[in-house]
Amino acid sequence: SQKIEQNSEALNIQEGKTATLTCNYTNYSPAYLQWYRQDPGRGPVFLLLIRENEKEKRKERLKVTFDTTLKQSLFHITASQPADSATYLCALDMGTGRRALTFGSGTRLQVQP
Amino acid sequence: DGGITQSPKYLFRKEGQNVTLSCEQNLNHDAMYWYRQDPGQGLRLIYYSQIVNDFQKGDIAEGYSVSREKKESFPLTVTSAQKNPTAFYLCASTYPEGAGYTFGSGTRLTVV
Repeated sequence: SQKIEQNSEALNIQEGKTATLTCNYTNYSPAYLQWYRQDPGRGPVFLLLIRENEKEKRKERLKVTFDTTLKQSLFHITASQPADSATYLCALDMGTGRRALTFGSGTRLQVQP
Repeated sequence: DGGITQSPKYLFRKEGQNVTLSCEQNLNHDAMYWYRQDPGQGLRLIYYSQIVNDFQKGDIAEGYSVSREKKESFPLTVTSAQKNPTAFYLCASTYPEGAGYTFGSGTRLTVV
């Protein structure tokens, strides 16, 4: 069956360091992959979309890579700040013919001052 | 400002009762979605709609129903057949297909 896997363990890093979060998927090669930020009690907020023909995408301090051979996306936050503390979700079309995103369970990031 | 409005923010349901969660968007988006989130879990798809008067089941549609009579509105009814409805419900919309989703602020439903 098709799965999306994100590290369920929280990631704790010091302010100013680079945070790297991982999203792995199985069986299917999606046309694109998306990353969202979710704060407690709030709806997710869209951050970045990367397409299968793009190796890397950047937006301010955020960088996403997409390796279709490894079936993996990495999400980087450089010069991290305490305000970056949140849960980060990856999402993709799992290719079942269903025209809706499937979300991973998310990784919680905690940036210590 | 454009966005998605979910109401109410908190909802309490008695056993055997049907309740309806509201989702309204003024973004002129064609596609709308309902997801359920349980504590510490990811989002699970309940129903989605690509156009008015058409909708499809997601992974966990049992015990839920929807309608899409207007482009702006996609209400979700949690029926008494849903045995474990306590969760955080999120509505989203998007256009065009493949673009990022815009989410509402969610409705937290609790069975009392």
